[in-house]
Amino acid sequence: QKEVEQNSGPLSVPEGAIASLNCTYSDRGSQSFFWYRQYSGKSPELIMSIYSNGDKEDGRFTAQLNKASQYVSLLIRDSQPSDSATYLCAVNLFTGTASKLTFGTGTRLQVTL
Amino acid sequence: EAGVTQFPSHSVIEKGQTVTLRCDPISGHDNLYWYRRVMGKEIKFLLHFVKESKQDESGMPNNRFLAERTGGTYSTLKVQPAELEDSGVYFCASSHYGLAGGKNFYNEQFFGPGTRLTVL
Repeated sequence: QKEVEQNSGPLSVPEGAIASLNCTYSDRGSQSFFWYRQYSGKSPELIMSIYSNGDKEDGRFTAQLNKASQYVSLLIRDSQPSDSATYLCAVNLFTGTASKLTFGTGTRLQVTL
Repeated sequence: EAGVTQFPSHSVIEKGQTVTLRCDPISGHDNLYWYRRVMGKEIKFLLHFVKESKQDESGMPNNRFLAERTGGTYSTLKVQPAELEDSGVYFCASSHYGLAGGKNFYNEQFFGPGTRLTVL
């Protein structure tokens, strides 16, 4: 079992629709959770972070966390063609003074006109 | 505010040669991380510095990889000698060393553009 699992996609949604991206993680000790967006050939760009159960909204993005189910999701409302990218779920495990992100393989999102 | 910068952006070397990658973190960020993505795989953690100290180097593949962060500012990652399987994109990231509840909890890491390493 992978530590962080994502459906690789592609997830295809029409412009203006809601895109729903999901992620599960295996380590219950994980403390913080992130969504990165990565355009082809570019570096990961942090778009959302969430630390406690529930929803967190920022503009068109909503992150949802359910620690009991070990599940994180990202909703993108009013999807735009510019949202077409790979979305990486990352989970942070902090041990003492050391910290590291564990990434999923990413979900490729395609927003169609 | 300048972001994380990495040099070079691309490097093509022959098997057995040495390559040194450089990362300059965001100014004031005590935490510096190296990650690697090989083709078709997820981004994987290599190591974590707090200032000049290595906190966790559990992800370093083997002793051909050496990371340094003298003075707690920029970092270098040296691969010597390079092997074919070392090809990939090497990312550097940095974050604040903030405390919440006594722990470095809010660890938002910001990534550099990466160095694409090709070993022939």
